[in-house]
Amino acid sequence: AQKVTQAQTEISVVEKEDVTLDCVYETRDTTYYLFWYKQPPSGELVFLIRRNSFDEQNEISGRYSWNFQKSTSSFNFTITASQVVDSAVYFCALSGTMEYGNKLVFGAGTILRVKS
Amino acid sequence: DVKVTQSSRYLVKRTGEKVFLECVQDMDHENMFWYRQDPGLGLRLIYFSYDVKMKEKGDIPEGYSVSREKKERFSLILESASTNQTSMYLCASTRREQPQHFGDGTRLSIL
Repeated sequence: AQKVTQAQTEISVVEKEDVTLDCVYETRDTTYYLFWYKQPPSGELVFLIRRNSFDEQNEISGRYSWNFQKSTSSFNFTITASQVVDSAVYFCALSGTMEYGNKLVFGAGTILRVKS
Repeated sequence: DVKVTQSSRYLVKRTGEKVFLECVQDMDHENMFWYRQDPGLGLRLIYFSYDVKMKEKGDIPEGYSVSREKKERFSLILESASTNQTSMYLCASTRREQPQHFGDGTRLSIL
């Protein structure tokens, strides 16, 4: 069975601090995909990144970076120099296949509060 | 840009009522999904559909049914609403091998 664990229920930081959101996954598939989504207070989930299991290169996009380590089954997300607009719920998700647009298994989510 | 539209942002219904949640996407996506979101549980898949008139159960289908008569529309039906179905419901759509695009969600309260 597939499982995603986001152990941090809620994190509070002050603006400009760096923050890392943890994600640990379990799967028996050799090919799988990992995702991060952001849910701002407005409610819609916004896609941030997708990684497949064969691509362990870290990725950086502006203030966002992702660290994928198969050895520890982790896919952590770091926001550098956080801003108030980063306040949201962040979800890590796992899919075993991209057929049928992938069935996603979500973690419980981490609430990030960035204070000015 | 992909647009996934859910018919209501907020909905209040009574126990025992039949409730319809509607979702429409404008990108000709084959696949559509219904999730419910509860605090501490993340999103859980209720049903999904990979083609018109096709449907598959997700992880928590009990108490729900779905309908997909047209490619762009995917309806979630609560046959006889109960208080434990009070939740946030999210619809998503995607083309094969692409990330899912989500609607704004419907916050449903069953009294």
